[in-house]
Amino acid sequence: SQQGEEDPQALSIQEGENATMNCSYKTSINNLQWYRQNSGRGLVHLILIRSNEREKHSGRLRVTLDTSKKSSSLLITASRAADTASYFCATDSRSNDYKLSFGAGTTVTVRA
Amino acid sequence: NAGVTQTPKFQVLKTGQSMTLQCAQDMNHEYMSWYRQDPGMGLRLIHYSVGAGITDQGEVPNGYNVSRSTTEDFPLRLLSAAPSQTSVYFCASSPWTGGQPQHFGDGTRLSIL
Repeated sequence: SQQGEEDPQALSIQEGENATMNCSYKTSINNLQWYRQNSGRGLVHLILIRSNEREKHSGRLRVTLDTSKKSSSLLITASRAADTASYFCATDSRSNDYKLSFGAGTTVTVRA
Repeated sequence: NAGVTQTPKFQVLKTGQSMTLQCAQDMNHEYMSWYRQDPGMGLRLIHYSVGAGITDQGEVPNGYNVSRSTTEDFPLRLLSAAPSQTSVYFCASSPWTGGQPQHFGDGTRLSIL
């Protein structure tokens, strides 16, 4: 069963704008990861955030984690056409042998 | 470095046929896994392996077999293909389990008629 659920399902923005997507999950986790998938390709890892961390940055990406609300957000700043992709969150927990559970994803379209 | 290589990229099968999806990684990763991706559902774990000779079931293992005779290879076998197995299949690897970024192949697009 899917642990994470992304919101919104789809997002369309203008180049240069920021894109924010959210991930909610149901049970306690040890780690949360965000991945990007371009059309017809495999998933590419973006950021991993551990349950004792609240925020991480990587280039134009910012991830927050609120374990009290069981939610995470991914912010892409100054978006580019190349950011057009689907974005997935994935969670794991020691109680589930660290098996990754993926959400259904957010499809982001960046308009030129 | 090739990373994770999956073959074939596309395959069409008839119901009842069997086939093997190949997955190989050249990063000396211990942990390997197979997922299927269906529209609107994200990725679901089929089988995984924490090292050579060790495999275990994921969320949707029925109709699939795996083996791990070497660190590098982790083939997925469909025993008797069914239309419900039409999907995109992804193989992934990481150094070990437990909070590790996964390296994904580019997938095998499988259609069962």
